[in-house]
Amino acid sequence: AQSVTQLGSHVSVSEGALVLLRCNYSSSVPPYLFWYVQYPNQGLQLLLKYTSAATLVKGINGFEAEFKKSETSFHLTKPSAHMSDAAEYFCAVSDYNNNDMRFGAGTRLTVKP
Amino acid sequence: DVKVTQSSRYLVKRTGEKVFLECVQDMDHENMFWYRQDPGLGLRLIYFSYDVKMKEKGDIPEGYSVSREKKERFSLILESASTNQTSMYLCASSLSGATGELFFGEGSRLTVL
Repeated sequence: AQSVTQLGSHVSVSEGALVLLRCNYSSSVPPYLFWYVQYPNQGLQLLLKYTSAATLVKGINGFEAEFKKSETSFHLTKPSAHMSDAAEYFCAVSDYNNNDMRFGAGTRLTVKP
Repeated sequence: DVKVTQSSRYLVKRTGEKVFLECVQDMDHENMFWYRQDPGLGLRLIYFSYDVKMKEKGDIPEGYSVSREKKERFSLILESASTNQTSMYLCASSLSGATGELFFGEGSRLTVL
């Protein structure tokens, strides 16, 4: 069975600092990996996805993530945090059929002025 | 613009009441999902459906049922609501067999008193 583990339920950074949100996955088949963002009182929206093409994936709002098979990781980064990045971020793993997507517990990002 | 609409953003019900949560998507997606979101637990899959009148149990189906009579509509039913079903419920849809993302509704926050 597939699963993801997000390290750190809360991350706090200063505005302009590097954002690093960690995600490790477990999958018996080549995985598809996703990062979603949830702003307060809203549903989730896709930030980026890895589907076995380039290992470095660029998403919206300046975020990117790198698939590292040897480390079974898919960490999310952004070089310079903005106040508007404050939200909850979820890592997810799926197989080809996309009907068994599993989410991590989420990481709440706080951005300090 | 793609859209998943959940009928109620906020509901308050009493223990033992029957509760219907409705979800409609306008993207002609085959797959539809119901997740439950609780702090520290991320999203947990309740049920999903890959076709009209088809349904599959997710990780936490106990106490819930679903209905999919039309492709665009997927309903979650709590036959007899209990206080431990107080939660945020998220509906999502996706294309079948694709590496595609899930498209989420804005969520329905249910409180059971």
